[in-house]
Amino acid sequence: EDKVVQSPLSLVVHEGDTVTLNCSYEVTNFRSLLWYKQEKKAPTFLFMLTSSGIEKKSGRLSSILDKKELFSILNITATQTGDSAVYLCAVGDYKLSFGAGTTVTVRA
Amino acid sequence: DVKVTQSSRYLVKRTGEKVFLECVQDMDHENMFWYRQDPGLGLRLIYFSYDVKMKEKGDIPEGYSVSREKKERFSLILESASTNQTSMYLCASRPMTGLSNQPQHFGDGTRLSIL
Repeated sequence: EDKVVQSPLSLVVHEGDTVTLNCSYEVTNFRSLLWYKQEKKAPTFLFMLTSSGIEKKSGRLSSILDKKELFSILNITATQTGDSAVYLCAVGDYKLSFGAGTTVTVRA
Repeated sequence: DVKVTQSSRYLVKRTGEKVFLECVQDMDHENMFWYRQDPGLGLRLIYFSYDVKMKEKGDIPEGYSVSREKKERFSLILESASTNQTSMYLCASRPMTGLSNQPQHFGDGTRLSIL
């Protein structure tokens, strides 16, 4: 059975802090690992990672994949209140297995 | 931008009713998906469709069926609603790809309550 585990389940930080979110996985059919951000509505796509060791960056967010150790991290630097959301990790091919998500709360 | 539209944001139905959740995408995507999202469990795949009139069971298909008569529309049907089907339902779509993978794009979700 495919397994995707995210940690921590939730965290609270202050504006300006750096946040590191973890995602470990055991799946039978790996093609890519995806990160999504979910506020009150639709999960919105952040990153897709397919190769080990190559960092993807978008503004203050970055992510990297380790296919040997089967995990990925998502970093958010200089956090803002708008970063408050649930961050979802998903792994697979055309079919995705999702983790339970990490709830990030950024206090002003 | 990809637009995935779910017909209702909130829905309240009674136990035993037949319930239809509708999803429409405007990007000519071949693949469409239905998930339910529950606290602590993440998103779980109910059904997906490779293309028109094609469907495949996901991880939790019991109590659900689907219909894909047109490429842009994917319907989720609760044959006889039960209280344990109270949940957030999310629809997603993505293009069929060859060598490169593509992310799924999600609708805003339907929060369904079964009383």
